[in-house]
Amino acid sequence: AQSVTQPDIHITVSEGASLELRCNYSYGATPYLFWYVQSPGQGLQLLLKYFSGDTLVQGIKGFEAEFKRSQSSFNLRKPSVHWSDAAEYFCAVVPISGSARQLTFGSGTQLTVLP
Amino acid sequence: GAGVSQSPSNKVTEKGKDVELRCDPISGHTALYWYRQSLGQGLEFLIYFQGNSAPDKSGLPSDRFSAERTGGSVSTLTIQRTQQEDSAVYLCASSLGGSGNNEQFFGPGTRLTVL
Repeated sequence: AQSVTQPDIHITVSEGASLELRCNYSYGATPYLFWYVQSPGQGLQLLLKYFSGDTLVQGIKGFEAEFKRSQSSFNLRKPSVHWSDAAEYFCAVVPISGSARQLTFGSGTQLTVLP
Repeated sequence: GAGVSQSPSNKVTEKGKDVELRCDPISGHTALYWYRQSLGQGLEFLIYFQGNSAPDKSGLPSDRFSAERTGGSVSTLTIQRTQQEDSAVYLCASSLGGSGNNEQFFGPGTRLTVL
């Protein structure tokens, strides 16, 4: 079955430390890949997306993600976390083939940043 | 320009009552999506409108849920005979086109509480 998995429900890091949030997908063909962030009381904001080409993509707020076809992964990274990065992060996909255009989301990873 | 707006921001209703939730997409965006975010189910797709095409209703959980989009702009999600399990945050998103790689812009959501 097609699915998007975020294995980590909750991650805690210290301010200034590096961050990696994991995302794996299970689709026949590589889907369109997205990372969204949701801050408390806020709507979802797109951080970055991958469609094709360079497997390392840069996004807003200093985030980047690396697509690895062999691992069916699209992990989100940031070299140095800021307190304002505390939020919930969602990996999402849209299948490349078929008629579906909606996002299918992972279950989310809640990020806590310690001072 | 303005982003996606939703109203009301909060709605408290009694079990069995009908509710209407409104979404104003970004001007010029032809695609409009409704999603639901709840603790138990995460982020789920409900319905998708693209231009004048028939909507994709495949995510609606029951026939108590319906949505319309008038004039290719404003959309209303209606829930009839609300149940406690309908309590969730209802998110609306719009995109410039109906392609899977179009960025979806999200509104702040309507928090629905069914007593």
